[in-house]
Amino acid sequence: DGGITQSPKYLFRKEGQNVTLSCEQNLNHDAMYWYRQDPGQGLRLIYYSQIVNDFQKGDIAEGYSVSREKKESFPLTVTSAQKNPTAFYLCASSTRGGSNEQFFGPGTRLTVL
Amino acid sequence: AQTVTQSQPEMSVQEAETVTLSCTYDTSENNYYLFWYKQPPSRQMILVIRQEAYKQQNATENRFSVNFQKAAKSFSLKISDSQLGDTAMYFCAFMKHGPDSWGKLQFGAGTQVVVTP
Repeated sequence: DGGITQSPKYLFRKEGQNVTLSCEQNLNHDAMYWYRQDPGQGLRLIYYSQIVNDFQKGDIAEGYSVSREKKESFPLTVTSAQKNPTAFYLCASSTRGGSNEQFFGPGTRLTVL
Repeated sequence: AQTVTQSQPEMSVQEAETVTLSCTYDTSENNYYLFWYKQPPSRQMILVIRQEAYKQQNATENRFSVNFQKAAKSFSLKISDSQLGDTAMYFCAFMKHGPDSWGKLQFGAGTQVVVTP
């Protein structure tokens, strides 16, 4: 089955630690996105990538980093510089062009202890 | 920059009834896309319906339909014959048309819909 997987589903981190969230897709999509979801604020774009080895900052990129070494994978690292990292993180992918309908993964809930 | 506003934090509707969710947006673009996404308690985001701004005809997907008013920058979602499975958070989203959009979505804050028996 084609789709997007995110792992782990739940993640706990101590303050000061970096942590990497996984996102993999087998939809053959060129574009991939990371969103952060907080209560009452909808989804906010962290980073996006339209092609391998290229990515751009979204609206709230500070304290996050990404890589795009493979078409299928777009991991997100939450660094210790992110002051309030506890949130629900969603990964999405889409084709390029057209209406770019985005397909979403199941999400990762990150909690900083 | 575009902004998307959903003014109803929560709405309740009985089974088989109709509910309408409001969404307004602010943009200077002429060509764009609008979307409604559904997020049930599982938190999986699911596309409900899509509207191209250049199309005057309102989009319909089974029990879901939109009322797109381009001049008023309004994009409401109507859920007819509501079912318990429609209970979810609903997000309105905006996307510019064209290669410089990078496919980026701008989301509203969401409306929680609760369907009661």
